[in-house]
Amino acid sequence: NAGVTQTPKFQVLKTGQSMTLQCAQDMNHEYMSWYRQDPGMGLRLIHYSVGAGITDQGEVPNGYNVSRSTTEDFPLRLLSAAPSQTSVYFCASSQHGGGVDSPLHFGNGTRLTVT
Amino acid sequence: AQSVTQLGSHVSVSEGALVLLRCNYSSSVPPYLFWYVQYPNQGLQLLLKYTTGATLVKGINGFEAEFKKSETSFHLTKPSAHMSDAAEYFCAVSGLNNNDMRFGAGTRLTVKP
Repeated sequence: NAGVTQTPKFQVLKTGQSMTLQCAQDMNHEYMSWYRQDPGMGLRLIHYSVGAGITDQGEVPNGYNVSRSTTEDFPLRLLSAAPSQTSVYFCASSQHGGGVDSPLHFGNGTRLTVT
Repeated sequence: AQSVTQLGSHVSVSEGALVLLRCNYSSSVPPYLFWYVQYPNQGLQLLLKYTTGATLVKGINGFEAEFKKSETSFHLTKPSAHMSDAAEYFCAVSGLNNNDMRFGAGTRLTVKP
């Protein structure tokens, strides 16, 4: 049971390049989400999904796109990378979207540097 | 709207000493409160959570936290620090939905031998 798997672990991009961060979970979780982690700011929610075909914006969605065509996968797309997107990105999933009895399971993160 | 303030970005204790990591929250609805731990190069893991009921919550690895509504606090404690406790700790507050969850800035715990 792999849990939440993120690829790649590290990535360096030049300004203006595009890329997709991959996230897959094998727990049949309905809810999936993307966070970015910046020093002194904790984790901030980028986008989330409560099920296949349904996505919504979080606190800091600008510059990022998502889609959810299957229950297992929730890729995060950067269409035109900017230095301000240098960060560590975490994917998290939970059985359903209700937090009380549905704790988040996190992947190990993708460290992205934009030069 | 919910928010969390963690007092102290870095806490250093000696092995065997008391660990106290401070968290204060703000919430317009009855809060659900969480502590997560992040070891180097890993994602966050749930340590413990408060939902309703008993205000003293016990978690994994000997940690516990007490919900004090009057002080809007949810401080994390462990009676005796171990070297393996060195990590970053995040307090989080949530409403009914995971997309409502807001994380604090984190406290890095260092344990000295």
